[in-house]
Amino acid sequence: QVQLQESGPGLVKPSETLSLTCTVSGGSINSYYWSWIRQPPGKGLEWIGYMYYSGSTNYNPSLKSRVTISVGTSKNQFSLKLTSVTAADTAVYYCARVYAILRFDPWGQGTLVTVSS
Amino acid sequence: QSALTQPRSVSGSPGQSVTISCTGTSGDIGAYNYVSWYQQHPGKAPKLMIYDVSKRPSGVPDRFSGSKSGNAASLTISGLQAEDEADYYCCSYAGSLVVFGGGTKLTVL
Repeated sequence: QVQLQESGPGLVKPSETLSLTCTVSGGSINSYYWSWIRQPPGKGLEWIGYMYYSGSTNYNPSLKSRVTISVGTSKNQFSLKLTSVTAADTAVYYCARVYAILRFDPWGQGTLVTVSS
Repeated sequence: QSALTQPRSVSGSPGQSVTISCTGTSGDIGAYNYVSWYQQHPGKAPKLMIYDVSKRPSGVPDRFSGSKSGNAASLTISGLQAEDEADYYCCSYAGSLVVFGGGTKLTVL
């Protein structure tokens, strides 16, 4: 079965770029949409955006100017870049497969990214 | 694009039924039959419980059911069990975009 795993730095300095990778195992990224979702500590889920395996994307309007989701450099990976981060970007970041229109399933285990100097 | 509105908390005793509401707009819930629900236990990733308003993925107990009326959706859990205590999030398609609810904490008394 498909499994997802997020990876990347757990600490990012303010104004720098947050970069995460999601590695998909047990299946191919072909023919699906793939998404990033985040959850600030103690708060709810926020959709960041999604990409189709071919590279087309859609982003949350509130983050659109700072976000890029793209196919990873290695096979079966996709990535998230968020520029000019502030403390408000501190969150657990999840990657997920988007099955059909709105089925986020499965999810990665999540990775905490803290923005602090 | 505003978050969907959910009650902050609901509670029920074992064996009872609870319903969690999720209110959106004519641009999201009201426009599409693409509402999903996620269960999240503390420190864990969310789990898909309902999709396409009322469909259950394989492995999700039939105690969980979903519905929609107008601009609002609901998740009903019948025969409450202790392991149902968790946070629940609704999610709606909004025309190439996605919006989540703020989450509801379910307490099993």
